[in-house]
Amino acid sequence: DVKVTQSSRYLVKRTGEKVFLECVQDMDHENMFWYRQDPGLGLRLIYFSYDVKMKEKGDIPEGYSVSREKKERFSLILESASTNQTSMYLCASSFPTFVQHDNNSPLHFGNGTRLTVT
Amino acid sequence: DQQVKQNSPSLSVQEGRISILNCDYTNSMFDYFLWYKKYPAEGPTFLISISSIKDKNEDGRFTVFLNKSAKHLSLHIVPSQPGDSAVYFCAASGSGIRQKLVFGQGTRLTINP
Repeated sequence: DVKVTQSSRYLVKRTGEKVFLECVQDMDHENMFWYRQDPGLGLRLIYFSYDVKMKEKGDIPEGYSVSREKKERFSLILESASTNQTSMYLCASSFPTFVQHDNNSPLHFGNGTRLTVT
Repeated sequence: DQQVKQNSPSLSVQEGRISILNCDYTNSMFDYFLWYKKYPAEGPTFLISISSIKDKNEDGRFTVFLNKSAKHLSLHIVPSQPGDSAVYFCAASGSGIRQKLVFGQGTRLTINP
C-alpha cells in the first residue's frame, strides 16, 4: 500500500514566520505535488517535482518555495507566512506516467496539514 | 482560467435515491478523468476513473459517464448511502509523462436519512 505521510496534521503559526511542511512517500515515486484546498476553489497546485532537485511552479506558487533533496521527501516552505495562506495543504505522489487504466488512481495523497496563520 | 468546473457547490439527496454529480472541462487535450472523494481532515481518496476511449465505466454503485463532444462528465451513485456524504472532486489530465491532475472546485454531497 502506498503511503504518503505529512509530518503535521495541524499547525498554528504567526504572520511572518517561516513555515516548513514536510511530506514523505514510500513508493519510490518520481513525481511529487503540493496542493492547497480552499472552500469553493477546489484543489489548486502550488508546486510539483519530477525528480530530485527538480521543481516546477504550479498554478499558485507565489509566497511558497519547495525543496526536494531526496526522492522520497518533498518540502513546502512558506517564506513569510500570511493569513491568506491559512488552508489545508495536501501532498501527493505518483509515477512519471499516469497509468490510464480505469479504476486505477495515478495520484496518492497524504492526509493533509491544516495550517492556520494568525 | 478554470479548466475543470463543478458548477454545483452542494447537493442533497435522500438515502436510497440516485446522486448525480456533474463536471465540465474546457481543455480538449484532457483524455483521462477521475473522481475523488474527500472527508474532512483526510486526504482525497480515489473513487473511479475513465479514459477518453470509453464513454462509461462502472464500479459497484458508482458509474462515470463521459461525453467528449460536450466536454462533460458525470458521476452517478446508486443507491446513495449516508457514508457517501463527502466532498467530491472531479479531475482531469492529458497523456504522457509529467502530467498533473487539474481539479474542479468540488461538490459537497449530503445524503439524508
